[in-house]
Amino acid sequence: DGGITQSPKYLFRKEGQNVTLSCEQNLNHDAMYWYRQDPGQGLRLIYYSQIVNDFQKGDIAEGYSVSREKKESFPLTVTSAQKNPTAFYLCASGFTGTGAFSGNTIYFGEGSWLTVV
Amino acid sequence: AQSVSQHNHHVILSEAASLELGCNYSYGGTVNLFWYVQYPGQHLQLLLKYFSGDPLVKGIKGFEAEFIKSKFSFNLRKPSVQWSDTAEYFCAVIDRGSTLGRLYFGRGTQLTVWP
Repeated sequence: DGGITQSPKYLFRKEGQNVTLSCEQNLNHDAMYWYRQDPGQGLRLIYYSQIVNDFQKGDIAEGYSVSREKKESFPLTVTSAQKNPTAFYLCASGFTGTGAFSGNTIYFGEGSWLTVV
Repeated sequence: AQSVSQHNHHVILSEAASLELGCNYSYGGTVNLFWYVQYPGQHLQLLLKYFSGDPLVKGIKGFEAEFIKSKFSFNLRKPSVQWSDTAEYFCAVIDRGSTLGRLYFGRGTQLTVWP
């Protein structure tokens, strides 16, 4: 099946530990995104990547890191520097191109719940 | 940078009532507009989108939205809601003139429909 796969779906982490969330897509999308969703705050952009080996910080990048070594993969590491890491994390992907997504849509994975204990 | 405002944080309706959720964005250039829905326990799904053409866009499950450029608005409507429409709804905008290709989201509106 085509789509965006996030893993794990649920993750518990002790304070002070780094954790990496996986995001894989087989839709041949160029762009990939990581969002964080908190109640009442909507979706906030952490990092995004338009092409392999390149990525940009979003609005809340502090305490997070990413890599884009392959087109289909965009893992997010939540580091111990992130002050409030407990949240729902959403990965998304879409096509890039002239007209900035003209005719195209961003699709979302099912999300990963991270709880710091 | 873009900002997207959703005016209603929580809307409570009875079945068969009409729905209108407000969405305004800040950028005055050419934009693509989206409404996404997140049902309880599920991932975000595209409800409808506007790229160009007819400003009245029809989506899935009887939803529609109207793009009014002069008001920078893209309000979501449904004539008669059902209990199964209970979900969180997000408006999103992308600036077509930007090479960055990022999507800006509103804070979301929680819709609760009572049977």
